[in-house]
Amino acid sequence: AQSVAQPEDQVNVAEGNPLTVKCTYSVSGNPYLFWYVQYPNRGLQFLLKYITGDNLVKGSYGFEAEFNKSQTSFHLKKPSALVSDSALYFCAVREDNFNKFYFGSGTKLNVKP
Amino acid sequence: GAVVSQHPSRVICKSGTSVKIECRSLDFQATTMFWYRQFPKQSLMLMATSNEGSKATYEQGVEKDKFLINHASLTLSTLTVTSAHPEDSSFYICSAGPRAPPQQFFGPGTRLTVL
Repeated sequence: AQSVAQPEDQVNVAEGNPLTVKCTYSVSGNPYLFWYVQYPNRGLQFLLKYITGDNLVKGSYGFEAEFNKSQTSFHLKKPSALVSDSALYFCAVREDNFNKFYFGSGTKLNVKP
Repeated sequence: GAVVSQHPSRVICKSGTSVKIECRSLDFQATTMFWYRQFPKQSLMLMATSNEGSKATYEQGVEKDKFLINHASLTLSTLTVTSAHPEDSSFYICSAGPRAPPQQFFGPGTRLTVL
């Protein structure tokens, strides 16, 4: 069965410091992995995806994520956090033969000035 | 990226009434759309998969007679919450996307409040 785990409900980081939001996944086939961000009372905005190719994926707003097959992880990173990055972040996985997405529980990122 | 719209963005209704939420893909055709429900501070719960020209596929535990889904065209899916009750109050989000390359684009969501 497909699943996604985001082990941290909340991540706190000071502005200017690097940030990491963790995600691990479980699928039986080849994974397609995604990160989305949600601001209050808004829908989800796409940040980046891994389909195939380079394990390091660069996305919107300076975010990047590294696909690690051996650890079944897809952690979201940014070298220098901004206060405006404060939001709810969701990791999602889709199996290559199916159209359904599975979402993690979400991680609230708090960036303090 | 592709744009998905939802209407209305916010609705308040009385208990017992029905509410219809529209989801439109504005610049692409979507044979499949998805409806999610999100509770405060929680993740998205997939309710159903809306298939153009055929019946929706509901997830386990979702009442199909309660949440009616119609996918009338390649750009429009509707979710009707029938005989709404306060416990139906939630944030409803739709998504759509091509099968290849695999990606989902999300609508801005609809906040439903049932009094």
